Amino acid sequence: EVQLVESGGGLVQPGRSLRLSCTASGFTFGDYAMSWVRQAPGKGLEWVGFIRSKAYGGTTEYAASVKGRFTISRDDSKSIAYLQMNSLKTEDTAVYYCTRDQLTFAGYSSSWVTDYWGQGTLVTVSS
Amino acid sequence: QPVLTQSSSASASLGSSVKLTCTLSSGHSSYIIAWHQQQPGKAPRYLMKLEGSGSYNKGSGVPDRFSGSSSGADRYLTISNLQSEDEADYYCETWDSNTRVFGTGTKVTVL
Repeated sequence: EVQLVESGGGLVQPGRSLRLSCTASGFTFGDYAMSWVRQAPGKGLEWVGFIRSKAYGGTTEYAASVKGRFTISRDDSKSIAYLQMNSLKTEDTAVYYCTRDQLTFAGYSSSWVTDYWGQGTLVTVSS
Repeated sequence: QPVLTQSSSASASLGSSVKLTCTLSSGHSSYIIAWHQQQPGKAPRYLMKLEGSGSYNKGSGVPDRFSGSSSGADRYLTISNLQSEDEADYYCETWDSNTRVFGTGTKVTVL
């Protein structure tokens, strides 16, 4: 059974840092890309960023709202994905979800598709 | 990058059907999308991936009541024999130019 468990959330002051972890089990972690998605209270889903598997270069992509402040990394030996969040702002307050992504093809089209979600961890940025 | 347009809400009676729409912006009508369900107070759950051809592939454990279809830039999620547990927010998402995009979500109410 695929499981994604986030940890590391909590209350943090503006300008400070926090690192979230996503521990995966039930699949070969190194074969998959991973993403972080957040949801502010009462709002919709917002993509934060993404890290490809080593087979696709292990490279990262970020939403404009977090680029330069957030960094995603992975430790395939431990089956963990990380989200390092620096220079936090009050607007970063949200539940943060870890997701598993796989590349899917249809004719000439391809797309990364999220096929599993973690349960989320709440990050509150407040003084 | 694409924009995904969803109606804000939909409602239908218990046991009936509801069809949700996710519309891809101009120039992106061939894109693959995914549908996700978020029940109140819970994490989202993957329902299916849906191609422009209308072919879809559901996630593990997703009931047969959920199906997908496509027409041009529109991607549909149909829920048949609506149950109380189907009352939830439904989001579509896609990927383009190294960016993931979500629709704004449709809130489904079961009457």
